[in-house]
Formats: sequence, structure tokens, C-alpha cells
Amino acid sequence: AQSVAQPEDQVNVAEGNPLTVKCTYSVSGNPYLFWYVQYPNRGLQFLLKYITGDNLVKGSYGFEAEFNKSQTSFHLKKPSALVSDSALYFCAVRDTIGSSNTGKLIFGQGTTLQVKP
Amino acid sequence: GAGVSQSPSNKVTEKGKDVELRCDPISGHTALYWYRQSLGQGLEFLIYFQGNSAPDKSGLPSDRFSAERTGGSVSTLTIQRTQQEDSAVYLCASSLAWQEAFFGQGTRLTVV
Repeated sequence: AQSVAQPEDQVNVAEGNPLTVKCTYSVSGNPYLFWYVQYPNRGLQFLLKYITGDNLVKGSYGFEAEFNKSQTSFHLKKPSALVSDSALYFCAVRDTIGSSNTGKLIFGQGTTLQVKP
Repeated sequence: GAGVSQSPSNKVTEKGKDVELRCDPISGHTALYWYRQSLGQGLEFLIYFQGNSAPDKSGLPSDRFSAERTGGSVSTLTIQRTQQEDSAVYLCASSLAWQEAFFGQGTRLTVV
């Protein structure tokens, strides 16, 4: 079965500094990977995805993520953090049904990002 | 509508009562998901519908929980004989097959 792990419960970074939120996965076959963000008292918003193609994926709000097959990682990054980036971030991988990636989304535990002025 | 719509947005119910939560997915989306989230916590998978395939019910916590999706569109999650531990935000999402899922704003269920 597929799984995804976010090893950090919380990440603290100063505004203007680069940020990284870590995600590792375990899959059989090629992974379909996603990042979501949840602001307080809001639903989840899609940020970016990796299905195939370039290992560096760019998404909304200046975020990007790097797919690394050898390290089974899909870390979320941003070159310069903003206070408004403070939120709860979830990594997800799509489960497989047979040989196709059409199963449910499996989410990590979430990482709280705190950006301080 | 443009996005996933859930109703009601808030529901307070007495312990032991049944509740129904509704999800209107994005038109044309073949996949529909239900998750629940306790305060500040992660997402707990409940059930997944994909096209005409049998739903993945592996996340339903007990037989008090059930869900259906009528006509491949609207879905209803039913919780019978609610318990206090059922209090959570119930999130619905939809997607085109294996693409990214889009989430509704959720239904906050409080069992008193």
C-alpha cells in the first residue's frame, strides 16, 4: 500500500528566508504526488502536483517542489517566505488500484509552517 | 457551481441522533472523497467513489457510518446514532480520475 510521511510537525522560518517542508513517500510503481495548504478555519487548497515530467514542479503562491525518486521525497520549497504563508501543509500520494493510479488520496500528518516577521 | 459545495456548514446534534451531510461535487468530476478532520489534526480517510466502480469504504470507522453517491454526482454521508467522538469537520472533495482533488469548505459537526 502507498504511504506518505511528513517528518516535521512544525517548521519555523523567518520572513524572507527560504523554507522547506519535507515529505517522503512509499509506493509501488510511479507516484502521483500532491501538496495542499490549509489556512485557519478554511478548506484545503491545492498547491501543486507531480505526475510525470520535470522533477521540479512549480505551483501557486510561488511554491515549488522537487521530486527525487532515489530519495523517495517530494519536498515543498519557497525561496522567500512570507508571514502570510503560515498555515498547515499536507503532502499526499494517490493510491493505486491494480496497476493504475486511480485510488484515493493518502495524506501525510501535516506540517504547521510558522513564518515570523 | 464552480467548486465543491457542502451543506450544512455547521451542524449541532444530540448524541444518539442521525445526521446527513451533503456534498455537491464539481460537475463532471468522476471521483468523490470524504475525509474528516479533528481540530488542528490530520485528515482521516472515510470513503472514496470512482466512477461506476465499487466504492472504497475501508476508512469508515464503524457500521454507523455510510455514504452513497446518486447518479454519479451528489453524495450523502450518513452517521447513525451519533456519538461525541464523531465531532469533527467532515470534508468532501472531487477530482477528474487521477488528477488533483478540490475540497469543499467542510461541515463542522458537533455532537452534544
